[in-house]
Amino acid sequence: QKEVEQDPGPLSVPEGAIVSLNCTYSNSAFQYFMWYRQYSRKGPELLMYTYSSGNKEDGRFTAQVDKSSKYISLFIRDSQPSDSATYLCAMSASETSYDKVIFGPGTSLSVIP
Amino acid sequence: DGGITQSPKYLFRKEGQNVTLSCEQNLNHDAMYWYRQDPGQGLRLIYYSQIVNDFQKGDIAEGYSVSREKKESFPLTVTSAQKNPTAFYLCASARGGWANEQFFGPGTRLTVL
Repeated sequence: QKEVEQDPGPLSVPEGAIVSLNCTYSNSAFQYFMWYRQYSRKGPELLMYTYSSGNKEDGRFTAQVDKSSKYISLFIRDSQPSDSATYLCAMSASETSYDKVIFGPGTSLSVIP
Repeated sequence: DGGITQSPKYLFRKEGQNVTLSCEQNLNHDAMYWYRQDPGQGLRLIYYSQIVNDFQKGDIAEGYSVSREKKESFPLTVTSAQKNPTAFYLCASARGGWANEQFFGPGTRLTVL
């Protein structure tokens, strides 16, 4: 079993839809959860960063963590064509362990105008 | 503008040749990383460096080498010992003590002919 699993998609939605992207993980020690957005042929950029369980909202984006189920989600409201990208989840057990950030394979999202 | 630059964007190499990928940052970050990205897989850590003149192997260091002579620069050499070097290579940096908030460069696509 991989440490972090993510449905690769592709996921295609109409503009304005609510998008739900998800990751599951196996290591109960993970406490820090990140979502990165990666446009085609570009490097990832950090979108959301959360600690432990709960929700965090930033504009149209909401990150949700359920540690009891080892499940994290990223919701995008009122999706736009500019949201078309690959979304990578990432997680770690520590803020300072440079070699222990684990990335999921990414979910490819297309928002159709 | 602060950021990370990688060059070249595309690189072609014949089998048996060593090649060096450049990574430069002007964010004054202490930590730098090299990742490899293959389709359907998460980012895999090749090497990382927390401070000048020091670096550590990641999960897939075999066939790669790095140096960290300056804070701003962290070049990666892909040697002929790397069995399957064709991939997208990403360089990242982070502030000291903030390993989870990584800033990525635009990447280098290496193709071995």
